[in-house]
Amino acid sequence: GAVVSQHPSRVICKSGTSVKIECRSLDFQATTMFWYRQFPKQSLMLMATSNEGSKATYEQGVEKDKFLINHASLTLSTLTVTSAHPEDSSFYICSARDPQVEQRDTIYFGEGSWLTVV
Amino acid sequence: SQELEQSPQSLIVQEGKNLTINCTSSKTLYGLYWYKQKYGEGLIFLMMLQKGGEEKSHEKITAKLDEKKQQSSLHITASQPSHAGIYLCGADRGGSNYKLTFGKGTLLTVNP
Repeated sequence: GAVVSQHPSRVICKSGTSVKIECRSLDFQATTMFWYRQFPKQSLMLMATSNEGSKATYEQGVEKDKFLINHASLTLSTLTVTSAHPEDSSFYICSARDPQVEQRDTIYFGEGSWLTVV
Repeated sequence: SQELEQSPQSLIVQEGKNLTINCTSSKTLYGLYWYKQKYGEGLIFLMMLQKGGEEKSHEKITAKLDEKKQQSSLHITASQPSHAGIYLCGADRGGSNYKLTFGKGTLLTVNP
């Protein structure tokens, strides 16, 4: 079963409103989670690194005031798209790794969330 | 500039044919991940390569990492329609946070 869960899987919101997407680690505590965005037929673009108990680290070109990230607990990171516009419509996906596992090949991705702004 | 280059960007093959997808990094990698995805769905982990010269196989898919740890290839033997999808290589630069950055992806179509 999934070890990283995202919610909602699909959301439609009106232009100008804000929408929150959750990313949860189900069986482990994740001090770090990552948020990606994917455009149609394109690859995943890393948006930011979500750090538990501290500010997120944003990639170049990503507006931190537009995409608010909160990592208030060891199992939950949230991405809030503020004042959403149609161009924010996209597929958003998060990932996390179990820090208790030594191997590096245990990065888990969520199922992704479709955001449509109308 | 794109640190991780994938080629080709798209590929159409006839069922049964072999194919290769390449992933080249401008910097030495700590590790290289290969994933498969249907657009708009989650990622399916294929394999991770960490040692120079390493080669791994899973069913009909083989991936190799060169000795310099800057280039990887993914080879599919006797392709099937089920292999169709987006193949993504992800670069692990090392460090404690396990951040992955991805190439642009290769869209594979397998015609029956």
